[in-house]
Amino acid sequence: QVQLVESGGGLVKPGGSLRLSCAASGFTFSDYYMSWIRQAPGKGLEWVSYISSSSSYTNYADSVKGRFTISRDNAKNSLYLQMNSLRAEDTAVYYCARDWVGWFDPWGQGTLVTVSS
Amino acid sequence: DIQMTQSPSTLSASVGDRVTITCRASQSISSWLAWYQQKPGKAPKLLIYKASSLESGVPSRFSGSGSGTEFTLTISSLQPDDFATYYCQQYNSNPGTFGQGTKLEIK
Repeated sequence: QVQLVESGGGLVKPGGSLRLSCAASGFTFSDYYMSWIRQAPGKGLEWVSYISSSSSYTNYADSVKGRFTISRDNAKNSLYLQMNSLRAEDTAVYYCARDWVGWFDPWGQGTLVTVSS
Repeated sequence: DIQMTQSPSTLSASVGDRVTITCRASQSISSWLAWYQQKPGKAPKLLIYKASSLESGVPSRFSGSGSGTEFTLTISSLQPDDFATYYCQQYNSNPGTFGQGTKLEIK
């Protein structure tokens, strides 16, 4: 079955960096756009970034532009999010999701990123 | 960015009730709207896309309608498993934006 499994979350100090990974299985990963979406504790959902199937196109929310970089390795069925210059307001559960160039389905289980000194 | 506003923010209902959640867009989004269900500690799950298309495997008691700026998610007869938080999301333009969520509680 289609499965997405995130990893790489953890506690990081403000200004620090973290790289999230998302391992995909059960579908032809290279055929699909992929996105990262986050959810701050007790809050709603915020789309963060997407990448096209061949990595030709990427886009970012204004809140992370210039600090986060999305990438993928289709040979490894993996999606990544490099997060630099982290701020307290980046604290959230980060989900990867298959992007149907519109809606998101399915979602991974999420990985928690906590930015705190 | 297009702003999505859901109402109500919290809804108390009983098993067997018919409930409706409303989502309004700050500008027309045609039918480019999805609905998700999220349970505590879990990832969101897609229910409906293109405003009224039911995702495979989702019970038929869920339905979506609307176009332009006003949309509804209806659950025809609430089941115990339906108590959760529901989000709408527009994908008419980048960035895709979500409503603030509607928490469906047991009365």
